Amino acid sequence: DAGVIQSPRHEVTEMGQEVTLRCKPISGHNSLFWYRQTMMRGLELLIYFNNNVPIDDSGMPEDRFSAKMPNASFSTLKIQPSEPRDSAVYFCASRRDLQETQYFGPGTRLLVL
Amino acid sequence: AQSVAQPEDQVNVAEGNPLTVKCTYSVSGNPYLFWYVQYPNRGLQFLLKYITGDNLVKGSYGFEAEFNKSQTSFHLKKPSALVSDSALYFCAVRPYQAGTALIFGKGTTLSVSS
Repeated sequence: DAGVIQSPRHEVTEMGQEVTLRCKPISGHNSLFWYRQTMMRGLELLIYFNNNVPIDDSGMPEDRFSAKMPNASFSTLKIQPSEPRDSAVYFCASRRDLQETQYFGPGTRLLVL
Repeated sequence: AQSVAQPEDQVNVAEGNPLTVKCTYSVSGNPYLFWYVQYPNRGLQFLLKYITGDNLVKGSYGFEAEFNKSQTSFHLKKPSALVSDSALYFCAVRPYQAGTALIFGKGTTLSVSS
């Protein structure tokens, strides 16, 4: 069974450009989470969805960040416009309700110049 | 506020010695507790969890953790450390309420020397 899939694995872009990160959760999982990891702030929850509905987006830094989950097998995290301080590793994770364990993808390493 | 604390940024231990990585939590109700490990340039991997039952939980790679309700702790342990155990370890808690996400600690870097 495939794990959580994220793309791209690495992204280098210039300040002001739009960045789109993609995630495919494990089949059958109905909760999906976006995290950001930096040296300074550690692992931060940005947003999570349950049954494709955003439940808690209080961790989204500002309006430049948006996330969607149009169906059970796909989610995007978009940053527009990107800034150097957005440089981080972004992780997607999924979970099947009542099973409690979250499984993480390999992450997208974003560098904004 | 609900939170998880990992009081040590780094733990150093010699190979073959026992290791402990500490975690304390503050949540309302009965929590679900987790340990994850992250190797360099990789995602987080699930190690073990406590939901209910026996306070001593055994997980992957010979790791175990003990839930102590009175001390609100969930320390990760291994009887004999390996160099390959060197990694970043995260403790996480999920409050009992349904529909909540995991709250992660800041992580502890474990360094095992040969």
